[in-house]
Amino acid sequence: DGGITQSPKYLFRKEGQNVTLSCEQNLNHDAMYWYRQDPGQGLRLIYYSQIVNDFQKGDIAEGYSVSREKKESFPLTVTSAQKNPTAFYLCASLETVSNQPQHFGDGTRLSIL
Amino acid sequence: AQSVAQPEDQVNVAEGNPLTVKCTYSVSGNPYLFWYVQYPNRGLQFLLKYITGDNLVKGSYGFEAEFNKSQTSFHLKKPSALVSDSALYFCAVRPYQTGANNLFFGTGTRLTVIP
Repeated sequence: DGGITQSPKYLFRKEGQNVTLSCEQNLNHDAMYWYRQDPGQGLRLIYYSQIVNDFQKGDIAEGYSVSREKKESFPLTVTSAQKNPTAFYLCASLETVSNQPQHFGDGTRLSIL
Repeated sequence: AQSVAQPEDQVNVAEGNPLTVKCTYSVSGNPYLFWYVQYPNRGLQFLLKYITGDNLVKGSYGFEAEFNKSQTSFHLKKPSALVSDSALYFCAVRPYQTGANNLFFGTGTRLTVIP
């Protein structure tokens, strides 16, 4: 079945450490997105990419970085500059036909050790 | 600026009763509107969307939503709630602009269906 796979399901970060969250899709979607979910705040956009080798900052990009070297993959790195990284991170993808819904992965929960 | 408001953090309803989860939006131009559901420790699942046409949209699991342009609302409804409908519901809007595929989400409404 086509879908979005996020790994790992749970991740722990030590102080000063960078960690990378994986997102892979086999839906042949051009656009991919990273969101951060905190209780009571809904989803906030971190980064998005509408085409390979191109990406844009979302509303809360500080302390995060991404790459888009392949259409299927859009990894997110949470750097040590992100001082409050504890959250649930969701990856999504979208066909570029504008009236389609975004498809979501099952998320990665990141916590601080 | 684009925004979505879900005025109720929590909605409780008895099993078998009708349910409504409210959503209002602010967007320039015509909106694309979506409802998603989230179960614990899972991603968002698409329920339904409004793009154009009939104001009453039917979606998955017996849910429907009514687009009201004058009130800028897109409330989610179901005639008879099930315990399994208990989850977190998100309303989202995408402005109708060329190249703008980003979604703006509400803060979510937690629905609890009481047996």
